[in-house]
Amino acid sequence: EAGVVQSPRYKIIEKKQPVAFWCNPISGHNTLYWYRQNLGQGPELLIRYENEEAVDDSQLPKDRFSAERLKGVDSTLKIQPAELGDSAVYLCASSLKRGGPYEQYFGPGTRLTVT
Amino acid sequence: QQQVKQSPQSLIVQKGGISIINCAYENTAFDYFPWYQQFPGKGPALLIAIRPDVSEKKEGRFTISFNKSAKQFSLHIMDSQPGDSATYFCAASNRGGGFKTIFGAGTRLFVKA
Repeated sequence: EAGVVQSPRYKIIEKKQPVAFWCNPISGHNTLYWYRQNLGQGPELLIRYENEEAVDDSQLPKDRFSAERLKGVDSTLKIQPAELGDSAVYLCASSLKRGGPYEQYFGPGTRLTVT
Repeated sequence: QQQVKQSPQSLIVQKGGISIINCAYENTAFDYFPWYQQFPGKGPALLIAIRPDVSEKKEGRFTISFNKSAKQFSLHIMDSQPGDSATYFCAASNRGGGFKTIFGAGTRLFVKA
């Protein structure tokens, strides 16, 4: 069974440029998460989807970050414009069901460097 | 209230020794406590998890000890091996919070051969 797929794995951009990350969750997983992991820190939730619906986006900086999950499968996270402080690893995770502490499966992440 | 405090930040253990990582929380509504293991360049992977109705859970060489009254829980890795060298994250979540997972800051474990 394929795991969570993320692309690109690495991205270097200049500040004020836009950037997008893509995630393909494990087949059949209807819950999808985007996390940001700063260096030396644990992951912090940005947004959680149940199918197509964003059910928790309280931590998403909506002035520059946006996300979508069309058709309840793949998801894209966008930053526009990027700032130096956005340098981090962006992790996507998925789980099988809603309403429970079901195991989250993480992708390898996208390491973003903003210069 | 939402924080999970993890210690130590880093840990060096001899092969065959016991690795112990501690976590503390404030929110008494937390009711699920997983531990994740992360290797460089990889995403975190669930290692073992516990609910507060038990004081200990063991899976192979990994044991979680849970102290509800002290609001603390710990991970013990018995017979530590070089392959266990990774970053370990404790975490907590609760049903009322939609099982939003709050992660600790992580412990970098190095097991010396």
